[in-house]
Amino acid sequence: AQTVTQSQPEMSVQEAETVTLSCTYDTSESDYYLFWYKQPPSRQMILVIRQEAYKQQNATENRFSVNFQKAAKSFSLKISDSQLGDAAMYFCAYRTYGQNFVFGPGTRLSVLP
Amino acid sequence: GAVVSQHPSWVICKSGTSVKIECRSLDFQATTMFWYRQFPKQSLMLMATSNEGSKATYEQGVEKDKFLINHASLTLSTLTVTSAHPEDSSFYICSARDPRGAGQPQHFGDGTRLSIL
Repeated sequence: AQTVTQSQPEMSVQEAETVTLSCTYDTSESDYYLFWYKQPPSRQMILVIRQEAYKQQNATENRFSVNFQKAAKSFSLKISDSQLGDAAMYFCAYRTYGQNFVFGPGTRLSVLP
Repeated sequence: GAVVSQHPSWVICKSGTSVKIECRSLDFQATTMFWYRQFPKQSLMLMATSNEGSKATYEQGVEKDKFLINHASLTLSTLTVTSAHPEDSSFYICSARDPRGAGQPQHFGDGTRLSIL
C-alpha cells in the first residue's frame, strides 16, 4: 500500500524568509501524481502545487516550488518570501490516475511577523 | 469559482439522529466521488469510493450500514450518517473526479463539520 510521510509535525518561519517542508512516500507504481495542499482554519483544501511523476522538471507556482527526487521518493515544498497568509496545515498527497488521494499526516506552519 | 459544492457546511444534531451530506459537481459529470473523514488535528482518511450507479466501496474499518452512500446521478453523491453518536463527530469532505482534465483532476468540496451532541 502507498504511504506518505511528513516528518515535521510543526514548522515556523520568519515573515519574508524561506522554509522547506519535507515529504517522502512509498509506492511501487512508476506513474503517479504528487500534491501539496494547504488547509487553513476554515478547513478548505487548497491546492498549492502538483507534480506529475513522469516529469523531471520540478513544478513551480509563484513563491512555491518543489524538489522532486523520484529515485529517493522525496517531494519537498519550498515556500519563498513567506507571508502571514501562508500559515496553515500543509498536507503532502499522492495518487495514481483516477484513484483516491493518500495524505501525509500534515505539517503545521507558523509564520512569525 | 467552486466546481464542487458540499452541503451543509456545518450541522449540529442530537445523538441518534441521521444526517445527510450532499456532494455535488457543478459543471462536470463525476462518475466517481470520494468521501474522506478528518478528526481534529489529524489527516484526511478515505472512507469510501462512490461510483455512479453502483455500490460504494468502503475502506477497512468503515461500517457500510452506518455510513450510507448513494450516487444516483452523475452530479450528486450523498453520505448519510445513520443513528449518529458523539464519536461520529468529525469533518467530512468529498472530492469529485473530473473526467475533462489531464490526469482526471479531483476537486474538493468545502467540507462538512458534523457535531453530535
